[in-house]
Amino acid sequence: AQSVTQPDIHITVSEGASLELRCNYSYGATPYLFWYVQSPGQGLQLLLKYFSGDTLVQGIKGFEAEFKRSQSSFNLRKPSVHWSDAAEYFCAVGAGGSYIPTFGRGTSLIVHP
Amino acid sequence: DSGVTQTPKHLITATGQRVTLRCSPRSGDLSVYWYQQSLDQGLQFLIQYYNGEERAKGNILERFSAQQFPDLHSELNLSSLELGDSALYFCASSGQGLAGGHEQFFGPGTRLTVL
Repeated sequence: AQSVTQPDIHITVSEGASLELRCNYSYGATPYLFWYVQSPGQGLQLLLKYFSGDTLVQGIKGFEAEFKRSQSSFNLRKPSVHWSDAAEYFCAVGAGGSYIPTFGRGTSLIVHP
Repeated sequence: DSGVTQTPKHLITATGQRVTLRCSPRSGDLSVYWYQQSLDQGLQFLIQYYNGEERAKGNILERFSAQQFPDLHSELNLSSLELGDSALYFCASSGQGLAGGHEQFFGPGTRLTVL
């Protein structure tokens, strides 16, 4: 079965600074990988996804993520963080067949002005 | 707006009671998933329905049950409620059949408080 680890429970950055949120997965084959964002009181919104092909994936709101098979990682990045990016971020990994993704525990992003 | 709707938004009830949470998937989506989100357990998959049939089960308690109706809306029934059932319950839908790898669209959630 697949699993996913988000090592950082909280990340604090200053507005305008760059951001990298870490995600490591465990799965025997090439997984399907996702990043979701959850704002307070809201549901989860898909930021980006990786299925195959180009390992650098562009998403919404200026986010990107890079799939690195050798490191079993799918880290989320943004060059310049805005105060509205403060939220909970979830990495998820899915496998082929009956698709039920496994979610990480989430990383809470705090943005200082 | 994901296109997935959930009602009610908030629900407060007492231990031992039974509640029903409702979810309408995005137009055309055949799969519905239910998740429970709590501080100590994170986001836990409960159950999936596809076109009216149960497709996969996760960490769903025997006190909980779900169904998907012919119009594709789904209901999650929680009975004999305990304090520990207090959580956010999310519904998600996806639309590309049973093959793997498809993103899910989440509803806004129902916050259940058991007193």
